[in-house]
Amino acid sequence: AQTVTQSQPEMSVQEAETVTLSCTYDTSESDYYLFWYKQPPSRQMILVIRQEAYKQQNATENRFSVNFQKAAKSFSLKISDSQLGDAAMYFCAYRAYGGATNKLIFGTGTLLAVQP
Amino acid sequence: SQTIHQWPATLVQPVGSPLSLECTVEGTSNPNLYWYRQAAGRGLQLLFYSIGIDQISSEVPQNLSASRPQDRQFILSSKKLLLSDSGFYLCAWRTGYGSYEQYFGPGTRLTVT
Repeated sequence: AQTVTQSQPEMSVQEAETVTLSCTYDTSESDYYLFWYKQPPSRQMILVIRQEAYKQQNATENRFSVNFQKAAKSFSLKISDSQLGDAAMYFCAYRAYGGATNKLIFGTGTLLAVQP
Repeated sequence: SQTIHQWPATLVQPVGSPLSLECTVEGTSNPNLYWYRQAAGRGLQLLFYSIGIDQISSEVPQNLSASRPQDRQFILSSKKLLLSDSGFYLCAWRTGYGSYEQYFGPGTRLTVT
């Protein structure tokens, strides 16, 4: 069964600095998708960035980028120029390619604090 | 644009009482729908998913059930709540084809006392 591990329960970063959140996963599949979701205090889950496993190029969305290492099964999120609004719980998620469920398998999350 | 609604936003129910949480999606047709539960300090766990009206699959056996009486309506129910049912319940949707992203509703915080 696939699993997702986030080994950093909490992280802190100074405003305008860069922070990297770690995520590792375990799967025997070769095709899959990976996501980072943000959950602010409102608790709504917001999609931050996605990565297709067949793509070698790392995904980037404005200040958010990933470092996808397929062989190492690692998928870290880098937040550049951190802003106060980035403070939230961040979840890494895995989704298998194809299949009827298309369910997301989540890690336990990393709580990010942004210090002014 | 598509929007997803959930209600109620907050609910406090005694043990043994029934439950009905509702999720509706606007601006799309024939979506795949999902119910997730988030326990305190943990990630999300998939409870049910649906690929169409009256087509429900359960991921975790428990005292909860789900129904999809209309294309864009997804209901989570229980006949008798347990203390362990407390948590944050999130509904999500995905278009049926050509998309692999799920979009989440605002959630319902359920406290069973």
